[in-house]
Amino acid sequence: LAKTTQPISMDSYEGQEVNITCSHNNIATNDYITWYQQFPSQGPRFIIQGYKTKVTNEVASLFIPADRKSSTLSLPRVSLSDTAVYYCLVGFALDNYGQNFVFGPGTRLSVLP
Amino acid sequence: ETGVTQTPRHLVMGMTNKKSLKCEQHLGHNAMYWYKQSAKKPLELMFVYSLEERVENNSVPSRFSPECPNSSHLFLHLHTLQPEDSALYLCASSQDGAGGPAKNIQYFGAGTRLSVL
Repeated sequence: LAKTTQPISMDSYEGQEVNITCSHNNIATNDYITWYQQFPSQGPRFIIQGYKTKVTNEVASLFIPADRKSSTLSLPRVSLSDTAVYYCLVGFALDNYGQNFVFGPGTRLSVLP
Repeated sequence: ETGVTQTPRHLVMGMTNKKSLKCEQHLGHNAMYWYKQSAKKPLELMFVYSLEERVENNSVPSRFSPECPNSSHLFLHLHTLQPEDSALYLCASSQDGAGGPAKNIQYFGAGTRLSVL
């Protein structure tokens, strides 16, 4: 299983850009990098996914260097409603052994007024 | 609305009760999952079904019994639970395989908050 490491918690203020970095040194060739957001008492919600270089959508950007051993989720101009836990996952499709990635503890982002 | 509906949203049961959690996905996906999330803990994967066949069972106690009658429905049957089984139970679905690198993006329901007394 591809293992990921990300900060346990981060604080930010409204209007700031937040960057959360995830390390995944043993990423495999077929692995994609996926980020989810989870609010209390709700299921995680897909934010963004990438394989290499940069991906941008209406919510966030994902930066992946050439060696793919890390990735950075960038949230532009955060608001109080972005306070949540953010999970970085590295993996591929289901294989014969089941799911090849796990949810770690994630990064608890607190946005302050 | 994620396209994955879980019922009930809240459930309180005694240790001798039998109950079932239901999950339905309206996304046309072919894989479904059950996760358990205890307070301030990471999500724990319990069961995975792909094309209605169970492909993963992460050493879950037999008091939890999954059922996947078709690709749109997933059940978790509960019996003789313990207080430590109180948690948020989440269902998810994804489109797995389908040729080329599949990205396994999972769509989660809102969960069932289970309290075992």
